[in-house]
Amino acid sequence: DQQVKQNSPSLSVQEGRISILNCDYTNSMFDYFLWYKKYPAEGPTFLISISSIKDKNEDGRFTVFLNKSAKHLSLHIVPSQPGDSAVYFCAASPYGGATNKLIFGTGTLLAVQP
Amino acid sequence: DAGITQSPRHKVTETGTPVTLRCHQTENHRYMYWYRQDPGHGLRLIHYSYGVKDTDKGEVSDGYSVSRSKTEDFLLTLESATSSQTSVYFCAISYSSGGTDTQYFGPGTRLTVL
Repeated sequence: DQQVKQNSPSLSVQEGRISILNCDYTNSMFDYFLWYKKYPAEGPTFLISISSIKDKNEDGRFTVFLNKSAKHLSLHIVPSQPGDSAVYFCAASPYGGATNKLIFGTGTLLAVQP
Repeated sequence: DAGITQSPRHKVTETGTPVTLRCHQTENHRYMYWYRQDPGHGLRLIHYSYGVKDTDKGEVSDGYSVSRSKTEDFLLTLESATSSQTSVYFCAISYSSGGTDTQYFGPGTRLTVL
């Protein structure tokens, strides 16, 4: 049973426009969420995180929104750049942080067209 | 990159042979993790360690064992490799800074079991 779901396997966006990547979760005990970016043949790299006590966290071009009632989070990238083309994974933890097990979604491949 | 290296980076082996993958970190992090990444599954936790000689199972631990005799090294062993263990394996450490808690990943080991 997939506790963290990324229902869009791929997304294509024009350079300069907004990219919105979505993630749904089923376990109401999850209280900490992360987004990672992964290029081919490299390890995932951390982008941004959010605690369940917040509904928004922003870091430069990246903003994560959390809707606890809907068990949904999204990552907004504005403006999108060709270098953002990668696989994006959301991850969740029920332990208030990342110092324990993370549950990952299946990933969304973002393609930013020049 | 949190000083994480993995070896080997690529390995081809035959069914039934033992295989050991090594994760090495240089920054004295307490928590270390082994994940596997497969299409359609995202990243799944195999085993993790919360200190020297302290380890615990993740969600896909069958067929794998781990050892941590030194803080800097976390070994993943496939006692008798099977084709279903063909995957990309990532090691990670957990890290906290400025109120942000995350896991940093190594570059990965691509394992093919024929």
